[in-house]
This record gives sequence, C-alpha cells and structure tokens, in this order.
Amino acid sequence: DIVMTQSPDSLAVSLGERATINCKSSQTVLYSSNNKNYLAWYQQKPGQPPKLLIYWASTRESGVPDRFSGSGSGTDFTLTISGLQAEDVAVYYCQHYYTPPYTFGQGTKLEIK
Amino acid sequence: QVQLQESGPGLVKPSETLSLTCTVSGGSIRSYYWSWLRQSPGKGLEWIGYIYYTGSTNYNPPLKSRVTISVDASKNQFSLRLSSVTAADTAVYYCARNMVGAASGAFDIWGQGTMVTVSS
Repeated sequence: DIVMTQSPDSLAVSLGERATINCKSSQTVLYSSNNKNYLAWYQQKPGQPPKLLIYWASTRESGVPDRFSGSGSGTDFTLTISGLQAEDVAVYYCQHYYTPPYTFGQGTKLEIK
Repeated sequence: QVQLQESGPGLVKPSETLSLTCTVSGGSIRSYYWSWLRQSPGKGLEWIGYIYYTGSTNYNPPLKSRVTISVDASKNQFSLRLSSVTAADTAVYYCARNMVGAASGAFDIWGQGTMVTVSS
C-alpha cells in the first residue's frame, strides 16, 4: 500500500497569512502514461464529512475559492492557503488514488494564531 | 444536486454483522463508482471498498474477508455489510461518490456519516 505522510500535524497561522501543508507519498503517484498525479486534498470541519478541494494535485474542485492551491509531483505535494480566513479552520487530508487501496494522510489541523 | 444518506443501526454487538445502506438522491446511481469509507480516532480515514452500478467491486485487502458491498440500482441504493465486528470497527461510516473517469479514486460527494459503535 502507498503510505501518505503529512506535515506538520498541526499549525497555527494568522488571519490573512499563508498556510502551507505538505504531503509525501511512499511511492510515486504520477502516472507516466498521462502525466497526471493521482493526488487529492480534502477539508474536514468538525461534525462534517470531508470536502474535496483539489484533485490531480492542482485542479480545484468547482466552487472552491482560489486561495486554495495545490502543487507538487511524484511523491511530494503541497496545499497552500493564501490569505487565511476564519472559515478555513479545519483538518486537511491528502489522499492518493493511483491504485486501490486508496489511502489518506493522517491529517493536518489548521488553527488561527 | 446529488445527495447521499447513510442509514442503519448505530450499535452492533461484537461478532455480529454491521449493515448500512446509502441512498442516493438527486441523481442516478448509474455510471458511477460508489464507495464506503470510515473514520476512527485510531486509524484516521480508511477506504473500505467501492462498487460500480453494474455490481463489480474492489475491497481494501485488510477488510476483504469480512466486507460485502452490494447495489440496488432500482432503489438508487448501495449497501455495506461487515461481518465479525470487533471494537476496532467502531467508527463513523461514510458513503461517497467516486469521481468519473481517470480520477475515479477521488471522492467528490459524501454522505453526512453515521456513527457505528461495536459494544455488547
């Protein structure tokens, strides 16, 4: 199985500042035949299910604000939230979908400083 | 828009079978893959398996011997059965829709989740 490891486990960022969350996969999730990274990011607020933010490592889901961006390739990925807003307080997860079984990172808890 | 709703018992005894159903509303169950996932404090988010509306399935190997996912397209529902449960199966269980095409391992619509506790 591909192991997904996120860092940090938690972080506190001031309103309006940038938050950066990292995700590393134990093997590549870049599929050479289509040059796509099979990597998604989710946001989960308390008492709610995860919400898809980004897929293909950098494609925003419809309706997701453009302050959320994803980058990276191969085994190393980053979720960046530019201009942090109060409603962005949540736990963020990366997930690979390169091949079953699909696995998630352990989550990064984002708080306001 | 498409919505998912899980239903089933919130309490299951050890060694018995956990059974949940997910009802799809606002759209058809056809032409999509549908998954079950769970979330517990100890194991985080875990994909259990998926089913295509035609009935083909894929399960997470650690659970494969105990899991059955089925679909009833006429009712726009799919279901999860997990046998021989233990306390380790206590979790919030989610049903979710897989994205279409090559991104079909990502999940774009989720149910609200249902808490299942395994206890005597």
